[in-house]
Amino acid sequence: AQKITQTQPGMFVQEKEAVTLDCTYDTSDQSYGLFWYKQPSSGEMIFLIYQGSYDEQNATEGRYSLNFQKARKSANLVISASQLGDSAMYFCAMREGFRNAGNNRKLIWGLGTSLAVNP
Amino acid sequence: DTEVTQTPKHLVMGMTNKKSLKCEQHMGHRAMYWYKQKAKKPPELMFVYSYEKLSINESVPSRFSPECPNSSLLNLHLHALQPEDSALYLCASSQDRLAPGELFFGEGSRLTVL
Repeated sequence: AQKITQTQPGMFVQEKEAVTLDCTYDTSDQSYGLFWYKQPSSGEMIFLIYQGSYDEQNATEGRYSLNFQKARKSANLVISASQLGDSAMYFCAMREGFRNAGNNRKLIWGLGTSLAVNP
Repeated sequence: DTEVTQTPKHLVMGMTNKKSLKCEQHMGHRAMYWYKQKAKKPPELMFVYSYEKLSINESVPSRFSPECPNSSLLNLHLHALQPEDSALYLCASSQDRLAPGELFFGEGSRLTVL
């Protein structure tokens, strides 16, 4: 079964330090996509970063980078130089591959990690 | 500012009321989605529209009725809801249902059913 696991329900980080949020996934597909979203208390789900299963380079977007280890099936999010505005829920998600879901591919979500940035 | 606009941001309704949630996007996206999200939980997919046709219904109770009047608009009609339907309802769009690109989400409509 396809699954996303986020083992850290809550994390704390000091402002200006880096933090890693863990995400492991399980799929039998060769082609899939991995996403990280941020959800502040306001509710909006904000796309952060995307990694395709065939991408050889780790994805980076500003202060966000994705540590993609395909053999370990992990896609950890690294936030550098944390800011107070980074306090939010962070969700890891995987887009199902065609082999498992055909034309009805959906996003499979992890349970999320609540990040608090301390001043 | 988000490019997916949802109204209203907050809604309180009784179990006998009929109300609607609205979602609009002007990015030319051809796939639109409704998700339901309970506090501290991941979003749960409800419906997917692709090219204005309903392509996925995740066995949602009939008291939720989606409608896609055109490629930019998505409505969710609510009738005879239960208190357990209280949640954040998120609308999203993507370029195509099958494309690997990201979903763009609105800010959500917080629904309280009394």
